[in-house]
Amino acid sequence: SAVISQKPSRDICQRGTSLTIQCQVDSQVTMMFWYRQQPGQSLTLIATANQGSEATYESGFVIDKFPISRPNLTFSTLTVSNMSPEDSSIYLCSAGTSGGGYNEQFFGPGTRLTVL
Amino acid sequence: QKEVEQDPGPLSVPEGAIVSLNCTYSNSAFQYFMWYRQYSRKGPELLMYTYSSGNKEDGRFTAQVDKSSKYISLFIRDSQPSDSATYLCAMAFSNDYKLSFGAGTTVTVRA
Repeated sequence: SAVISQKPSRDICQRGTSLTIQCQVDSQVTMMFWYRQQPGQSLTLIATANQGSEATYESGFVIDKFPISRPNLTFSTLTVSNMSPEDSSIYLCSAGTSGGGYNEQFFGPGTRLTVL
Repeated sequence: QKEVEQDPGPLSVPEGAIVSLNCTYSNSAFQYFMWYRQYSRKGPELLMYTYSSGNKEDGRFTAQVDKSSKYISLFIRDSQPSDSATYLCAMAFSNDYKLSFGAGTTVTVRA
């Protein structure tokens, strides 16, 4: 298993500003992901954070809005850029190790973002 | 049509009751079926996963998958107040890390 921590746990931001969320895993993992969880909706995958290369974004998410870094096998950041109230959500980091077949993902506690 | 449908509830049951949760899905290629539990202000934690069709039991929890009907279920026996949480179903293709989640069902077990 993996223990994942996120910083900050919550924040209130002004429209037009940016926020960087950090994700730290207690062991080396192959895969790291960023999700968004909006009230009453499914967890939506934003992107896969690739170590040493550009992140892979899902449909509807772009690098200019959600730049992601992953400098090593235990750490990643997600920036929410030029924020608007529609970006208010919970942002979750997850991590796992691929081994063929089923790849279990462990989730961080989330970052609760409110944009005014 | 959403890929994974889950009734958001909320569901309120008395302590000791059986909780029944379910999800339907549209893509028959899904092979792995997961149930996550999420307490308030926490991240989801994996409860159980099942490969293909069949049943799986773990203590008070039983997961069922019916691929012919594209329907999965989670049963919680002898429910406790500590089971009060949001339960999320999730699905994945074989050898694929991407998870498709349901919206989650909020369960309250009354003491």
